[in-house]
Amino acid sequence: KAGVTQTPRYLIKTRGQQVTLSCSPISGHRSVSWYQQTPGQGLQFLFEYFSETQRNKGNFPGRFSGRQFSNSRSEMNVSTLELGDSALYLCASSATGGVGEKLFFGSGTQLSVL
Amino acid sequence: AQTVTQSQPEMSVQEAETVTLSCTYDTSESNYYLFWYKQPPSRQMILVIRQEAYKQQNATENRFSVNFQKAAKSFSLKISDSQLGDTAMYFCAFMKRSGGGADGLTFGKGTHLIIQP
Repeated sequence: KAGVTQTPRYLIKTRGQQVTLSCSPISGHRSVSWYQQTPGQGLQFLFEYFSETQRNKGNFPGRFSGRQFSNSRSEMNVSTLELGDSALYLCASSATGGVGEKLFFGSGTQLSVL
Repeated sequence: AQTVTQSQPEMSVQEAETVTLSCTYDTSESNYYLFWYKQPPSRQMILVIRQEAYKQQNATENRFSVNFQKAAKSFSLKISDSQLGDTAMYFCAFMKRSGGGADGLTFGKGTHLIIQP
């Protein structure tokens, strides 16, 4: 069974641009969540999608958005990029997103904003 | 809001030794889960072990075990017979149940564990 796939692995953008990151969950998983990892703030929860609906959201500005498609693949979008958005963005999937359920993470997309 | 604190930024032990990583958390919730995740240089987070708050028995997974002290809000990870492949960042994490399902994980800052040959 293929794991969680995130594309691209690396991305370089400039301030003010927009970026879209992609995440393909494990086959059969319907919940996809996103996390931002930075040296300063550590790992922070962005949002979680289940059956194409955003179910939970972390404390991030509206520039961070996401969506989920009918095949459970998810994308996250960051508009008007700022230097502070430079981070490793991790995607995780689980069968239903239930409390305590094991999350399977991808290897992340490393975003650098210049 | 929940907070998770890992007080050891880095630890180093010899192969085959036992090591304990510390984690404390703060919450007013009564229904939650605690986790330890490992992040090797590949960057992929891997679940090591999880504990349900309402279960008093400490979770174990092969060489990994936890010491869960609910009243003290402490959740330490013990790695026995440490191996070179255990070298990684280890993150303690908390998840509470919200009205619409599980909230996201709240992570500590991590402990960099180095296993020396």
